[in-house]
Amino acid sequence: EAGVTQFPSHSVIEKGQTVTLRCDPISGHDNLYWYRRVMGKEIKFLLHFVKESKQDESGMPNNRFLAERTGGTYSTLKVQPAELEDSGVYFCASSQQLTGELFFGEGSRLTVL
Amino acid sequence: GIQVEQSPPDLILQEGANSTLRCNFSDSVNNLQWFHQNPWGQLINLFYIPSGTKQNGRLSATTVATERYSLLYISSSQTTDSGVYFCAVVGGASGTYKYIFGTGTRLKVLA
Repeated sequence: EAGVTQFPSHSVIEKGQTVTLRCDPISGHDNLYWYRRVMGKEIKFLLHFVKESKQDESGMPNNRFLAERTGGTYSTLKVQPAELEDSGVYFCASSQQLTGELFFGEGSRLTVL
Repeated sequence: GIQVEQSPPDLILQEGANSTLRCNFSDSVNNLQWFHQNPWGQLINLFYIPSGTKQNGRLSATTVATERYSLLYISSSQTTDSGVYFCAVVGGASGTYKYIFGTGTRLKVLA
């Protein structure tokens, strides 16, 4: 069974550009989460989907970040326009049940120059 | 929301030594997980342990939910154990479904 996959693994963009990160959860997992780790610090929650609905987006830093999960399968996280402080590693995770075991992808490292 | 604290923040061990990492949380939780972030940045699931004790090889974990803490034991440490260890909890009085991460314990095992 395939795990959580994320694309791209690393993206380098200029300040002001747009980047879209993609996450494919484990098949059958209705719960999909986005987290990020900035400057090697804590892993911070961004948002949580249940199927295609946003259950909790309290961690989204501002309106430059837009997450979607059309059809309740894969999800995208778009940053537009990117700022220097957006650099970090963006992790996607999925779980079968609401408070069930969480499985993480390998992360997408974003570098904004 | 739930506060999660881990100790110690940094730990240096000689290969073969044992260690105990601690995770304290401020509210009742539905679940707790331990993760290892290896030097390549991958988050590896170690234990899914809302309560009780589990063992997997040289690693074991104990969660005492009533006292709001969990311990991760690493025995006979190896250089491949280096990295950052995170605990993450979900639940609490607010009924949130998001896992909250602790600040991590950075472990370096020296050959």
